[in-house]
Amino acid sequence: QVQLVQSGAEVKKPGSSVKVSCKASGGALKTHAFVWVRQAPGQGPEWMGGIIPMYGRVTYAQRFQGRVAIAADEYTNTVSLELASLRSEDTATYFCARSRSSATTSHFYDHWGQGTLVIVS
Amino acid sequence: EIVMTQSPDSLGVSLGERASINCKSSQSILDTSNGQNNLTWYQQKPGQPPKLLIYWASTRESGVPDRFSGSGSGTDFTLSISDLQAEDVAIYYCQHHFGGPPTFGQGTRLEIK
Repeated sequence: QVQLVQSGAEVKKPGSSVKVSCKASGGALKTHAFVWVRQAPGQGPEWMGGIIPMYGRVTYAQRFQGRVAIAADEYTNTVSLELASLRSEDTATYFCARSRSSATTSHFYDHWGQGTLVIVS
Repeated sequence: EIVMTQSPDSLGVSLGERASINCKSSQSILDTSNGQNNLTWYQQKPGQPPKLLIYWASTRESGVPDRFSGSGSGTDFTLSISDLQAEDVAIYYCQHHFGGPPTFGQGTRLEIK
């Protein structure tokens, strides 16, 4: 059974960075692509970017280019998101999600982590 | 970037009745190479992540009750929930994955009337 377990809530100062991890169990990372989606309070989800571990390829949404990094560690079966230069508008719940596809991050997502609340204040 | 617009923003439906939620994309999300519409529906309850309901516009995910159905093609899509149950109270989102970054609709809040 696939499970994505994320790291705990964070409170960060403006201008700092945050790193959120997502540990996958029930399958190897290389069999699927993974993405990060965030959701500000009361808002719809927003796709941030993703990684295809099989090819080591990473794609970011343009609005986060330059301050986001997504990585995958096949030895720990963990995907991570690092977001730099934090501002108050980055306050949101951050979700990792697994793509049904192994070859693209632009797909539908069949398993989700529980979410990690990041507060920037 | 493709913009997804849902209607209505909120909806009240009586138990046992039918709910319909619409989603419109700013351009066609039909992949003519395979005939698939790259449209997905999720259900989200408070404090939970989104849950996959429907993909390819009309294919129900395993384990999802057959009360949930999806339809539409091109730019206009509908999620229908028949025989509404109390546990269906949630926010429903559509999402495309056709060219550029995937984007989500703003959500439709479904409540019991």
